[in-house]
Amino acid sequence: GAVVSQHPSRVICKSGTSVKIECRSLDFQATTMFWYRQFPKQSLMLMATSNEGSKATYEQGVEKDKFLINHASLTLSTLTVTSAHPEDSSFYICSALTSSRYEQYFGPGTRLTVT
Amino acid sequence: AQSVTQPDIHITVSEGASLELRCNYSYGATPYLFWYVQSPGQGLQLLLKYFSGDTLVQGIKGFEAEFKRSQSSFNLRKPSVHWSDAAEYFCAVYTNAGKSTFGDGTTLTVKP
Repeated sequence: GAVVSQHPSRVICKSGTSVKIECRSLDFQATTMFWYRQFPKQSLMLMATSNEGSKATYEQGVEKDKFLINHASLTLSTLTVTSAHPEDSSFYICSALTSSRYEQYFGPGTRLTVT
Repeated sequence: AQSVTQPDIHITVSEGASLELRCNYSYGATPYLFWYVQSPGQGLQLLLKYFSGDTLVQGIKGFEAEFKRSQSSFNLRKPSVHWSDAAEYFCAVYTNAGKSTFGDGTTLTVKP
């Protein structure tokens, strides 16, 4: 089956620093990947759609200058949280769209803690 | 606009008992529907999906779901729950451009 990995699984950073999270599709090519944010006991909130070779599309209310997304290859998308603040602490999950264009496979998530 | 409602925030069942998790959707056309499971601190795993055809779909881990167009429902069932099934369950409907709309989730607790 399709496998999506994320790295790191956990990261702790100081306020004001930047953090990069990688999302990789291991056994398939994904022209489209999604980035979600999940608060405790809540559903997934779509942040942005990452398309290979083009600019990401951000959902309303998501700061594109704060959450930088790069999809440089068919198997890798990165999310960089710039100038992180404690309120950015959250669980970030990526997914990759399969060739059917309807199914997503999810990564295991990254727990970000900003101190 | 498309939406998904999972009426039950939390369900507790005894191990070995049957399970049904409810999902209602709002979608103008024929929906593509999904059920996912999320263990604590993990990503989402696809349990099953419905695109078309037989309205009773089988998934992994012994789960099944039935699509009922007249009721706009896609309820998830399992005849005998195992302790390892304790997790968060999300129902989702495909919307557009590869995106899906997710319900708020149902937390399943399994009593020994």
